Order: sequence, then structure tokens, then C-alpha cells
Amino acid sequence: AQSVTQLGSHVSVSEGALVLLRCNYSSSVPPYLFWYVQYPNQGLQLLLKYTTGATLVKGINGFEAEFKKSETSFHLTKPSAHMSDAAEYFCAVSTGSGNTGKLIFGQGTTLQVKP
Amino acid sequence: DTGVSQDPRHKITKRGQNVTFRCDPISEHNRLYWYRQTLGQGPEFLTYFQNEAQLEKSRLLSDRFSAERPKGSFSTLEIQRTEQGDSAMYLCASSFGQGNSPLHFGNGTRLTVT
Repeated sequence: AQSVTQLGSHVSVSEGALVLLRCNYSSSVPPYLFWYVQYPNQGLQLLLKYTTGATLVKGINGFEAEFKKSETSFHLTKPSAHMSDAAEYFCAVSTGSGNTGKLIFGQGTTLQVKP
Repeated sequence: DTGVSQDPRHKITKRGQNVTFRCDPISEHNRLYWYRQTLGQGPEFLTYFQNEAQLEKSRLLSDRFSAERPKGSFSTLEIQRTEQGDSAMYLCASSFGQGNSPLHFGNGTRLTVT
């Protein structure tokens, strides 16, 4: 079975500081990995995805993530935090069986950005 | 592309009542998913349709839950005899084509059972 663990339910950074949100996955098959962002009372918006190919993936709003197979990780980073980045972030893995596209989500990390 | 639309945005109901939610996916998307999200948790998969066929249901989907997608376009999720534990955000998502295409989510329906 596939699973996702997000380390740290809350992360607080100062505006302009590096953002690092951690995600580790478990998968018996090559995973497809995703990061989504959720603002209050809204649905989830795709930030970026890794399927195959280049392991460093760039997404929207200056975010990027690196797939590290040896560490089973897919951490999300942004060099400089903005106040508008405050939201909840979810890492997800796609189940390979049958290619249904079904996503398994982590529990989420709330990012707080302090002025 | 008008995005995934869900109706209503909020629903308050008394325990024991039935409720129905609607999801209109992005028009060309053939896959539709329902998820449930409780406070402080990530979304949990409930069920998935490819066109009008319901291909997978989670064990979370008890007998009181039923989902349909009659013409392969919009979908409904009905909860019968609601319980307080059903209170959650119900999210709909759609995607096109091959598995592992990104899911596009609606803004959800927040259900409160009193």
C-alpha cells in the first residue's frame, strides 16, 4: 500500500526566509508525486507534480520540489516566503495500480508566514 | 474552462436527515473523484468514476453513502440518515485521460450535522 507522511503539521517562517516542507512517501511501485495548496474554505490547487524524468520539478508561485528515490522524499521548497504563501500544503502520491489516478494525501502542513 | 463546480457550498442538517451534493466537473474530463476532508486532515478518497461507471469505492463509503454519475457528466453524492460523524468537507475533483493526470478540485461542500 502507498502512503505519505508529512513531517511537521505546522511550519512558521519569516517573510523572505526559506520555506521547506517535508514529505516522505512509501510505494511499492515508481510513484507519481504531487504537492497541492489549500487556502481557507477552498479546494486544492496543484502546485507541482513529478511523474518521470527530471527529479527537480518547478511549480507555480516560485515553489519547487526534488524527488529523491534513495530517501523516498519529495520535499517542497521556496527560496523566499511571501505573506500570500500562508496556507495548508498537502503532499500526495498516486497509486500505480490500474492507473486510476487516485491520490493518497498526507495529513498536511500549515505554513505560517510572519511579517 | 470554468473549473469544477460544487453545490451547495455549505449544508447544515439535522441528524437522521438525507442530504445530496452535486459536482459539475470540467466539461471534457472523463474521470471524477469524491473525497472527504475533516478538520486538520488530508483529503480521504471515497469513490471514483470513469465516465458513468463507478470503478472504485473506499471502505469509508458506508451503505448510507451513494454516488452516481448518470450521463458521465455531473455527479451526485447522497448521504442517508446523516450522523454527526459525517460532518466534513466533501471535495469533488476531475481529470482527463490517463491515470496520473492532475486532479482539479472544486471548492467543496461543507456539511455540518447537528
